[in-house]
Amino acid sequence: GDSVTQMQGQVTLSEDDFLFINCTYSTTWYPTLFWYVQYPGEGPQLLLKVTTANNKGISRGFEATYDKRTTSFHLQKASVQESDSAVYYCVLGAGGRALIFGTGTTVSVSP
Amino acid sequence: DPKIIQKPKYLVAVTGSEKILICEQYLGHNAMYWYRQSAKKPLEFMFSYSYQKLMDNQTASSRFQPQSSKKNHLDLQITALKPDDSATYFCASSQVWASAETLYFGSGTRLTVL
Repeated sequence: GDSVTQMQGQVTLSEDDFLFINCTYSTTWYPTLFWYVQYPGEGPQLLLKVTTANNKGISRGFEATYDKRTTSFHLQKASVQESDSAVYYCVLGAGGRALIFGTGTTVSVSP
Repeated sequence: DPKIIQKPKYLVAVTGSEKILICEQYLGHNAMYWYRQSAKKPLEFMFSYSYQKLMDNQTASSRFQPQSSKKNHLDLQITALKPDDSATYFCASSQVWASAETLYFGSGTRLTVL
């Protein structure tokens, strides 16, 4: 079945460090790929969205590129801030089914 | 103002009891969902509704019953509560029911079953 894999459970950085979160997906359908971010005490919210028509998404300094060959959708940011501390979910939409969330990556940024 | 209202924010229940989690959305969306997030598992899809009709159910237990009295309401009734039901339950909505649609989430109801 369709699935999403995030291998990094936790990433610890200092301000101005480079952030990179791995995500791979599996589906036999044309995917729509999302990154959601969740802050403490809140529900997940959309960070960016990419379809097969526009293979790159950029939002709030974050960037993700959809690579069909490697079935990857990694998230990156050149210079993180303490306010970027949150849980980041790679999410797959495909086949007319509900969105499938990855296990999440907790990003902790120290000043 | 929050566009998706979930009530209550916190809920404590005893094993075997029944509770209803409330969700209302004011985004004018036609599709609504329930997801569950527990400490041991990632965010899990439970149900989806479109125009008040059940579209998908990934919850194995019949103890979980969604109820849609209006297009912008999707409550979740849980009967015979068990400690394993302890989790944060998130309601979400989207403009239409489709896998390419962005979901908008409420802030959740944190349920603790003793």
